[in-house]
Amino acid sequence: QQQVKQSPQSLIVQKGGISIINCAYENTAFDYFPWYQQFPGKGPALLIAIRPDVSEKKEGRFTISFNKSAKQFSLHIMDSQPGDSATYFCAASTGGTSGTYKYIFGTGTRLKVLA
Amino acid sequence: DSGVTQTPKHLITATGQRVTLRCSPRSGDLSVYWYQQSLDQGLQFLIQYYNGEERAKGNILERFSAQQFPDLHSELNLSSLELGDSALYFCASSVDRLARANTGELFFGEGSRLTVL
Repeated sequence: QQQVKQSPQSLIVQKGGISIINCAYENTAFDYFPWYQQFPGKGPALLIAIRPDVSEKKEGRFTISFNKSAKQFSLHIMDSQPGDSATYFCAASTGGTSGTYKYIFGTGTRLKVLA
Repeated sequence: DSGVTQTPKHLITATGQRVTLRCSPRSGDLSVYWYQQSLDQGLQFLIQYYNGEERAKGNILERFSAQQFPDLHSELNLSSLELGDSALYFCASSVDRLARANTGELFFGEGSRLTVL
């Protein structure tokens, strides 16, 4: 019940295409859903996050779609660029309202955008 | 630069040995998290400290221990090392001291790569 299932494990997209990464969770107590981006040799960094009171959040070319009833959320990268090539982790956490976060990360998706 | 500093960046040691990984959190952050990232594995949560006290435990082996000191830096101790302990160990921090607010964002260091031979 504490797992966050992420797919696909790897993804190859042409430059300008749309990259879509999906995550699913079981624990309905999760109330904060961030996506982290990790470049080789670096630590993960927050990319975008959503709370369950909205169904979509967009920041530039990055959009989170959230389906509370299906317990799924996804990251869409529009107009994918070679610089977007990285590993993406979804996460789910409780504590979004209390401020005491407990994060569960997905297994990661390696995205490669071809020039 | 996240502001989180981890040392050493790379460490090679032998089975049965003990190592200590160090983390200096972002200035002002009270909470420190330790994660293990193995090849093709996600980020496995090990342990969390908040202002010197253990807050949460994850899949941390009994051979591993951690602590957070009064100056808020943290150390992860790994003992009786096995080949399977080879991994990238990340420290992350959150919770600004002044704001006492947690936005939910974790700030990760660049990791310590441990190789056990």
